[in-house]
Amino acid sequence: EAGVVQSPRYKIIEKKQPVAFWCNPISGHNTLYWYRQNLGQGPELLIRYENEEAVDDSQLPKDRFSAERLKGVDSTLKIQPAELGDSAVYLCASSPSAAGEGYNEQFFGPGTRLTVL
Amino acid sequence: GESVGLHLPTLSVQEGDNSIINCAYSNSASDYFIWYKQESGKGPQFIIDIRSNMDKRQGQRVTVLLNKTVKHLSLQIAATQPGDSAVYFCAENRPGGYQKVTFGIGTKLQVIP
Repeated sequence: EAGVVQSPRYKIIEKKQPVAFWCNPISGHNTLYWYRQNLGQGPELLIRYENEEAVDDSQLPKDRFSAERLKGVDSTLKIQPAELGDSAVYLCASSPSAAGEGYNEQFFGPGTRLTVL
Repeated sequence: GESVGLHLPTLSVQEGDNSIINCAYSNSASDYFIWYKQESGKGPQFIIDIRSNMDKRQGQRVTVLLNKTVKHLSLQIAATQPGDSAVYFCAENRPGGYQKVTFGIGTKLQVIP
């Protein structure tokens, strides 16, 4: 079974440039997450989708970050314009469903390492 | 604010020995805890989980212990192998069906052959 796919794996851009990351979750997983992971730290949630609806974007810096999951499957995360402090690994994860009680295991992709110069 | 954290940033263990990775949490309302393993260049991988109504859970070579009195979580790895070398994160999940996992800082486990 294919896991969570992310592209690109690496991206180097200059500050003030735009950048986009793409994620394809595991087939059948309704819940999709975007995390940011700074060096030596744990991932921090940016946004969570239930199908095509963003149900938690409280940690997403909305002045420069945007995300979409138009058909409830693939998702893109965009930064425009990028700043030096945006350098990090951006992780996508998916899980079967977050509806109701209990916890569903999240499956992570390999991440996109972004370097802003 | 409330957070999840780790006592030791780096742990070096001889191959074949047992490893113990510790984690302190401060959100007493959290009802579910997870340990993740993250190898270099990869995303976190689920290892084992435990609900707050339990104090111990065992998997294959791994055991998680939960002490709610002192808000402490530990991961024990038996007969540590070189392939266990990675960064280990504990994470907590808030109750009420709200799937928001908060990760700690991480502990790097180095296995010495």
